[in-house]
Formats: sequence, C-alpha cells, structure tokens
Amino acid sequence: NAGVTQTPKFQVLKTGQSMTLQCAQDMNHNSMYWYRQDPGMGLRLIYYSASEGTTDKGEVPNGYNVSRLNKREFSLRLESAAPSQTSVYFCASSERAHQPQHFGDGTRLSIL
Amino acid sequence: KNQVEQSPQSLIILEGKNCTLQCNYTVSPFSNLRWYKQDTGRGPVSLTIMTFSENTKSNGRYTATLDADTKQSSLHITASQLSDSASYICVVPFGSQGNLIFGKGTKLSVKP
Repeated sequence: NAGVTQTPKFQVLKTGQSMTLQCAQDMNHNSMYWYRQDPGMGLRLIYYSASEGTTDKGEVPNGYNVSRLNKREFSLRLESAAPSQTSVYFCASSERAHQPQHFGDGTRLSIL
Repeated sequence: KNQVEQSPQSLIILEGKNCTLQCNYTVSPFSNLRWYKQDTGRGPVSLTIMTFSENTKSNGRYTATLDADTKQSSLHITASQLSDSASYICVVPFGSQGNLIFGKGTKLSVKP
C-alpha cells in the first residue's frame, strides 16, 4: 500500500546547486502533479502531467523542469537552486484529470 | 479571480467539543468541492468530495455541507479527538484539466 512515494524526504542545498526530486506511484494512475507548499499559502501547482508523454506548466513553473519518465514516475528538477525555492514539495497522482488526487508525504527542501 | 478562502485561520478546542470550519469560493464554473486533512509532516488526505447537487455528506465524525448558491461550504467535526489536530484544506478544481485551487487551510488544535 505504498501509494505515492517521494524521495528524498529532506534535502539541504547551496544556492546554484542542482537537484532532482523523485516521485513514483503504484496505483496505475494516468495523471501526476508537482506542488509546492509555503507557510501561509495554499498549495500551488508547479507542473503536471495529464498522461504519460505529456507535461504542462502550472501556476509557478519558473526555475523548474519535469520529466514523466514512464507511467509510474514523475521527477522535478531544479537546475540552479535559489533560496526562494525553499519549500515543501508534494507529488500527487490521480486516475485521470478531474479525479481525486493522492499525495505523497513531501520533500522538505532548504536552499542556503 | 478564482479563489478559495477559509476561516478561521486557526482554532483551538477542547477534546470532545464540536467545531465548524468555513470555506468560501469564487471558482467558476463550479463542479465540486473537496476537503482534505493534512497532518503535520504528511501529505493531504481526502476527507470528502461535494458535487454540485449535494448539500450534506458525512464521513464518520466529519460532516461537510455545501451551498452552491452562496458558494460556501463548511466542515463540522463532532466530538473532537486529539487525532483531529491537523490542517483542514478546502480545494476546488477549475479549468479543463481539473487543476486544483487550494485554500490556505484552517489549523485545528485539539487539547486534552
């Protein structure tokens, strides 16, 4: 009963470093999402993949790239990390668009 | 502008007491409204989904109401338990892809 698995759970980076956040789901879902959660704000969509082979920008895509590696995996990459990207990142999946989303437990990322 | 607003921002109650959390939305067109529970350090977990035609829906001690005319929803928690301490997030999908607009959440603390 893994659901949505995110790795790593915690990470500290220096400004300018690059990093890839990993996400995998075992529910055979078609759609996957990346969000960031900042204090005092609702979750905001960074990128999403409605189906395998497609990706689209969300509300706050600047500074990020994504790859839908296969149906199970959706990764988020920070090419040159900035302190403003310090946040908690959540991956989610749903059977298809408009269906309820299932969330992972997040990656807590600090950029110094 | 599509928005989801929640009140109160935070709430402290004694174990065994009831409480009601509020959500106002301006998302259009409207299809459904979702309540999520987010425990500290975890990802959000779906509590209930209210469609346009539903007025009330219960999930154990949680009862959600929806008034589509006034664009308001509430989440009522009965006989609160310590495990109810969490953030409760109101979420409304919008657009052709069903992407989600998240409220900022209400942080509930249940004290013994």
